[in-house]
This record gives sequence, structure tokens and C-alpha cells, in this order.
Amino acid sequence: AQSVTQLDSQVPVFEEAPVELRCNYSSSVSVYLFWYVQYPNQGLQLLLKYLSGSTLVESINGFEAEFNKSQTSFHLRKPSVHISDTAEYFCAVQQVNTGFQKLVFGTGTRLLVSP
Amino acid sequence: DVKVTQSSRYLVKRTGEKVFLECVQDMDHENMFWYRQDPGLGLRLIYFSYDVKMKEKGDIPEGYSVSREKKERFSLILESASTNQTSMYLCASSPAGGGRSYNEQFFGPGTRLTVL
Repeated sequence: AQSVTQLDSQVPVFEEAPVELRCNYSSSVSVYLFWYVQYPNQGLQLLLKYLSGSTLVESINGFEAEFNKSQTSFHLRKPSVHISDTAEYFCAVQQVNTGFQKLVFGTGTRLLVSP
Repeated sequence: DVKVTQSSRYLVKRTGEKVFLECVQDMDHENMFWYRQDPGLGLRLIYFSYDVKMKEKGDIPEGYSVSREKKERFSLILESASTNQTSMYLCASSPAGGGRSYNEQFFGPGTRLTVL
């Protein structure tokens, strides 16, 4: 079975500051890794994913995440945040080589960006 | 544009009532999911369906049932609502896949259910 740990329930930052949202996972088999974002009063949207290949993946709005197999981590970073990045961010894993795409989610990190 | 819609954004019900939450997707996806979202617990899978009339229990199926009579529609049923079922309910869908494939799940906006 897989599990995902997001230790920070809330991360307050000032606009234009850098931010890192931490995600660690546990799995005995290979996994795909995801970050989903939930803006206020909306459903979840896929932000970025790691399936294979380069361990550094990027989103279209400036976020990036790096897969670190030895540390079983997939931390999300942005060098300069905007007010509009205020949202809840969920890390998730999916076991590779299964017949069904069950996602296992972390508990979420609320990013609060203030002016 | 892919779309998953849920019948209500907000719902208030009384303890013991039978509650139906409806989800419709217009992407011809084979797989559909119901999640429950609670603060500090993240998203937990209640039930999923990989085909019409097929259903599988997720991690927390107790107190819930589902129905999938048509490919585009997946209903979550609370037979006798209780206060501990007050939560945000999210529906998602994805194309069929298997093996080493990956298929993105698309989420609806959620239904915030309050049971009094």
C-alpha cells in the first residue's frame, strides 16, 4: 500500500517570495507522482505530474517539482508566488503497473499568499 | 473542454434522510470516482466504477452506496444520512487504462453536504 505525507497543513508567505511545499511518500513499488491544486470553491485540477524520465517537472504557471527517489520526496516549489496562487495543494501517488488508477492523496497544504 | 458536473454545490439534509448526489461527465470516460474531502484528512476514495453497472468499494464505503446505470452518470447514495457524513464530496472521471498507463482524473466542483 502507498501513503503520502504532507507535513505542513498551512504555509503563509508574502507575495513574490519563494515557497516550497513538502511531500514525502511511502511505497514498496514504483509510483507515479502528482500535485493537484484546489482554488477556493472549486474542484481539483492537475498541476503537474511525474511519470518517468527527467526528475524535474514543471507546470505552465511557474511551479516545479523534483522527484527524489532516494528520499522518497516530490516537493513543490515556486521561486516567486502571486496572490492568485492562494489555494490548497494536494500531493498524490498512483501505483505503476496496476489495472486501475487509484490515487492516494496527502492531507493537503494550504498556501496563503499575502501582499 | 472536459467537464464533470455535480448536481448541487451546497446541500442541507436532516439525519436519517436518504440523500442522492449526482455526477455527470461529458467526456465518454469509462472510470468514475466518488471522494470525500475533510480538513486534515485530504481526499478519501468512497467508491469507484470502471464500467456501467460495475462498482468497487474504495477505502471508506461504509454508509454509502453507488449507482451507475449510464456511462456518463455516477450517483452516490447515503441511505440514512448521519451527522458524521457532513463533508465535501468530489466526483471524478478518467478514461480507461491499465498496466503501466496513466490517465488523468478530472474532478467536478464538489458538493458540500451538511447533515443536521
